[in-house]
Amino acid sequence: DAKTTQPPSMDCAEGRAANLPCNHSTISGNEYVYWYRQIHSQGPQYIIHGLKNNETNEMASLIITEDRKSSTLILPHATLRDTAVYYCIVRGVSSKLTFGKGITLSVRP
Amino acid sequence: SAVISQKPSRDICQRGTSLTIQCQVDSQVTMMFWYRQQPGQSLTLIATANQGSEATYESGFVIDKFPISRPNLTFSTLTVSNMSPEDSSIYLCSVSQIRGPQVFGEKLFFGSGTQLSVL
Repeated sequence: DAKTTQPPSMDCAEGRAANLPCNHSTISGNEYVYWYRQIHSQGPQYIIHGLKNNETNEMASLIITEDRKSSTLILPHATLRDTAVYYCIVRGVSSKLTFGKGITLSVRP
Repeated sequence: SAVISQKPSRDICQRGTSLTIQCQVDSQVTMMFWYRQQPGQSLTLIATANQGSEATYESGFVIDKFPISRPNLTFSTLTVSNMSPEDSSIYLCSVSQIRGPQVFGEKLFFGSGTQLSVL
């Protein structure tokens, strides 16, 4: 499975959109991009995933570039409860999820 | 999504002892995985629990130290054997979304974890 690169941290103001970037320049055509988050020491929470097209659900939107080498997770209206570590993961036929270091999002009041 | 129950949620153990962690799912699932998260670190995959056969271990993890059972499609156990303080971690169970042939692009879900402290 391709590796991902994320900035170590970012912050945003409560109520504003949080845009979390992820690079996956070696992604192959049959690999999905997944996003999970982990709050404190709880189990990771599934957010969203996609292959080629942009995806949206009740939690977030996932924007994947046309060449699929990068993506952005968008939390449209960040709240204090969105403070967490966010993991961008590329997963292919191996079926495993391989976690990197993730990005720590801090939402400030 | 599947409801995953992990037991115990936390434990404090003595060096040299063993602890068995249980993962129970409310529906039959194809894939089950065990992860470890050491303090301040990201998650590391220990092994894939295979129903009816031996688990598939990742590099750096061995069956003697982390024996795994998976007797059916809803249950698995991970044992941390002969524990040392370095085994102090959060251990997490993860399951796939559905039963049946692996669906490409399926979701994976996680239990709430077992916080293990070894003295």
